[in-house]
Amino acid sequence: QVQLTESGPGLVHPSETLSLTCTVSGFSLTGYSVYWVRQPSGKGLEWMGRMRYNGDTSYNSALKSRLSISRDTSKNQVFLKMNSLQTDDTGTYYCTRAGDGDYWGQGVMVTVSS
Amino acid sequence: DVVLTQTPVSLSVTLGDQASISCRSSQSLEYSDGYTYLEWYLQKPGQSPQLLIYEVSNRFSGVPDRFIGSGSGTDFTLKISRVEPEDLGVYYCFQATHDPWTFGGGTKLELK
Repeated sequence: QVQLTESGPGLVHPSETLSLTCTVSGFSLTGYSVYWVRQPSGKGLEWMGRMRYNGDTSYNSALKSRLSISRDTSKNQVFLKMNSLQTDDTGTYYCTRAGDGDYWGQGVMVTVSS
Repeated sequence: DVVLTQTPVSLSVTLGDQASISCRSSQSLEYSDGYTYLEWYLQKPGQSPQLLIYEVSNRFSGVPDRFIGSGSGTDFTLKISRVEPEDLGVYYCFQATHDPWTFGGGTKLELK
């Protein structure tokens, strides 16, 4: 069945780079797009960016300068890297599949703190 | 970027009441293929969001028929005809017509 699982460090220091991995199963990354959504603590959902099935990417304009999304189709993984982290980047980060259903990871909590 | 403005920000209801949430877009959400990629999600505390409505008015599998999505162009509405306890949480509209995709700010549905 379709599953998405986020992984990454729970704690990142200010000004450092966040690296998250979304490992998927039950579908191919060359057939479906995967996108990242985050939720700052106590706030709403924010769409971050997307890895399309054909390898193209799209980013939230406000995050574009410090965000990169890539993938390894052989490992069924999508990667998120965001640099220059600040305390307001603290929150839960989700990966989700676009199209044909509603599939989300459980989310990974990231705290930015010294 | 497309801005989705949801109103109200919070909504207090009595169980069995009707609830209505508005989502207004800064530009038309009709895509060149004729479809309108406007979705509604519900996020319950401590959970990932769950899809309720896609393409304005189509209920996702398993979603009760008391959830009704409507609208076109830039104005969209989600109505819940008889609120039940499991409907409480935060509702978000979401557009996947224009890149980058965007969420509305959310509407918290709570008990009066």
